[in-house]
Amino acid sequence: GENVEQHPSTLSVQEGDSAVIKCTYSDSASNYFPWYKQELGKRPQLIIDIRSNVGEKKDQRIAVTLNKTAKHFSLHITETQPEDSAVYFCAAANSGGSNYKLTFGKGTLLTVNP
Amino acid sequence: GAVVSQHPSWVICKSGTSVKIECRSLDFQATTMFWYRQFPKQSLMLMATSNEGSKATYEQGVEKDKFLINHASLTLSTLTVTSAHPEDSSFYICSANLWGVGAGYTFGSGTRLTVV
Repeated sequence: GENVEQHPSTLSVQEGDSAVIKCTYSDSASNYFPWYKQELGKRPQLIIDIRSNVGEKKDQRIAVTLNKTAKHFSLHITETQPEDSAVYFCAAANSGGSNYKLTFGKGTLLTVNP
Repeated sequence: GAVVSQHPSWVICKSGTSVKIECRSLDFQATTMFWYRQFPKQSLMLMATSNEGSKATYEQGVEKDKFLINHASLTLSTLTVTSAHPEDSSFYICSANLWGVGAGYTFGSGTRLTVV
C-alpha cells in the first residue's frame, strides 16, 4: 500500500518568514495530493491540493509543488502569520483506485512566532 | 455543499460498554466512507473503509469484531466501538470521497471518545 513520509515533524518560524514542508510517497499510481491544516480537536481542513498532471499550484500565500518522477511534493507558505500555527498533514490518493483511499503523512507542527 | 455530519462530538463511557458513532452525508450520496482514528499528537490512521450495502474492509491490525461498521444506506455510516477499554480513547473521524461529485474528500467533525 501507499506510504507517505513527511518532514519536518516540527517547524518554528518567525512571522513573515516562509515555511516549507516536504512529503514523499511510495505508490507511483497516486495522483491526488492534498494538504490539510488541523487545529486541536477539529477536523482536517483542506488548504490546497494538486493532481499529478500539474507540477505547481498556488493560492495566495500557499503553494504546492509536485515532482512525480521523484515522488515528492512540498507545501510552501509565504509571509507566515501567527494564525498559520497548526498541524499540517500531507496525503496521497489514487483516484483511479477502487476506493480512493487517502493515506496521510505523520504531520508537521508549525509554530509562527510573532 | 458536500457536508458530512458526525455525532456525537464527544462521549464518555464506562469500560466494557459500547459506543456508536454516526456519520451522515447531508447533501450527497456517500457510497464509500472512511473511518480514521487519531491519537493525541499523531496522524490520522485509517481503520476501515465502508461501502454501502457491503461489508467493510478493515486495515491490518484493526479488529473487525471490536469496531463494527455499518453502511446500510447511501447517507449513513456508523462505527460501533464494542466493549470499549481505556486504550480505545481517541479521536474518531469519518470521511467521504467526493470523486463522484467533483474531487477530494470531506470530513466529519470528529468524535472524542473517552473510556473511563
